[in-house]
Amino acid sequence: GAGVSQSPSNKVTEKGKDVELRCDPISGHTALYWYRQSLGQGLEFLIYFQGNSAPDKSGLPSDRFSAERTGGSVSTLTIQRTQQEDSAVYLCASSPGLAGINEQFFGPGTRLTVL
Amino acid sequence: AQSVSQHNHHVILSEAASLELGCNYSYGGTVNLFWYVQYPGQHLQLLLKYFSGDPLVKGIKGFEAEFIKSKFSFNLRKPSVQWSDTAEYFCAVNVNTGGFKTIFGAGTRLFVKA
Repeated sequence: GAGVSQSPSNKVTEKGKDVELRCDPISGHTALYWYRQSLGQGLEFLIYFQGNSAPDKSGLPSDRFSAERTGGSVSTLTIQRTQQEDSAVYLCASSPGLAGINEQFFGPGTRLTVL
Repeated sequence: AQSVSQHNHHVILSEAASLELGCNYSYGGTVNLFWYVQYPGQHLQLLLKYFSGDPLVKGIKGFEAEFIKSKFSFNLRKPSVQWSDTAEYFCAVNVNTGGFKTIFGAGTRLFVKA
């Protein structure tokens, strides 16, 4: 079956521009996570959605970052006024059932480069 | 704040050597523990997980990990590595903070020489 998909796969933007990154989770998965992977930094938790509950936004690094999940499915991560330090691979993962006790299925990531 | 430490950032082994990758976490509450692996050019995928019960868990491809609660550790082991085990390995901890938040370690890059 289809896995988690993310688009675009690569994004190059200029400093100060806004970007939107999209994640299509596995159908039926109720939990969705966003992470940022910087070189040598591992995966940094950004935000997660669990069903209709309020999202856990505790990992968002600044108010320039926001995310939404429409209809419990597709999610968009928006970065406003991008900075060079935002350059990283942004990973999305989805999980069936309750978040925390189930395996996360990862997408291929979006590589963001801010010039 | 909760954190996950992976002690080795780069490991180089010859085939048939034994592997142990360290993982320690800092959180005093209930945790669920995972090891994920990212093979070159592939997505992150689950290697094994621990929720409860037997602290020694077996995963895919001959990997195992042992949860030692008193040491806050969840080390990954494999008795005999293969060239195909070359990958990056991530330890992850889900902590119950009213919801579930996943914290990943920085990863260990393993290179196995044929």
